[in-house]
Amino acid sequence: QSALTQPRSGSGSPGQSVTISCTGTSSDVGGYNYVSWYQQHPGKAPKLMVYDVTKRPSGVPDRFSGSKSGNTASLTISGLQAEDEADYYCCSYAGSYTFVVFGGGTKLTVL
Amino acid sequence: QLQLQESGPGLVKPSETLSLTCPVSGGSISSSSYYWAWIRQPPGKGLEWIGSIYYSGSTDYNPSLKSRVTISVDTSKNQFSLMLSSVTAADTAVYYCARRPMHVVYFEDWGQGTRVTVSS
Repeated sequence: QSALTQPRSGSGSPGQSVTISCTGTSSDVGGYNYVSWYQQHPGKAPKLMVYDVTKRPSGVPDRFSGSKSGNTASLTISGLQAEDEADYYCCSYAGSYTFVVFGGGTKLTVL
Repeated sequence: QLQLQESGPGLVKPSETLSLTCPVSGGSISSSSYYWAWIRQPPGKGLEWIGSIYYSGSTDYNPSLKSRVTISVDTSKNQFSLMLSSVTAADTAVYYCARRPMHVVYFEDWGQGTRVTVSS
């Protein structure tokens, strides 16, 4: 069982917006602004999409945005496109002993 | 362009030691700006951080795996390695090497991953 809780699946039609949640505790998500999100297509390595809760690496479309409220972080994808169909994983700093924890992943389907 | 490429046996017997290497190209492993990490993904499951190493040899390990894990660095070969002892079927996974910038908590570059199966 993963330390961070994500819905196992989500879906949306092209052009719509979808939000994926990631729930942790005050010891990880709620305690630090160090949440990152990764996109993983089948058979591929994860790709960093959002870091430090809200920041986007160079080259990531601004359709991807992150936020956090309390112990829950969220990734919102607006203007959904077919290529956004993938698995998404959240990750959070969890203190100097545990360091980082990941979510179990959300499989996003573009209808 | 930084490239990471995991290498090692795809099949390991139970109770033996899993050994993987990650050569780094397009950048120096001796850079003071990065940590080098191992992350794994069991079939159909989520990601799990195994541990990280700095070029100086300083390491951090996942507490749940710490007793079985050793991560080392070879600056002369520009590579770092993972050893996981006493493996069981639960250690079957795709193993990734990755790079993490210093003073941040995200992994910005990843290898393509290598599948390791633990089976007799």
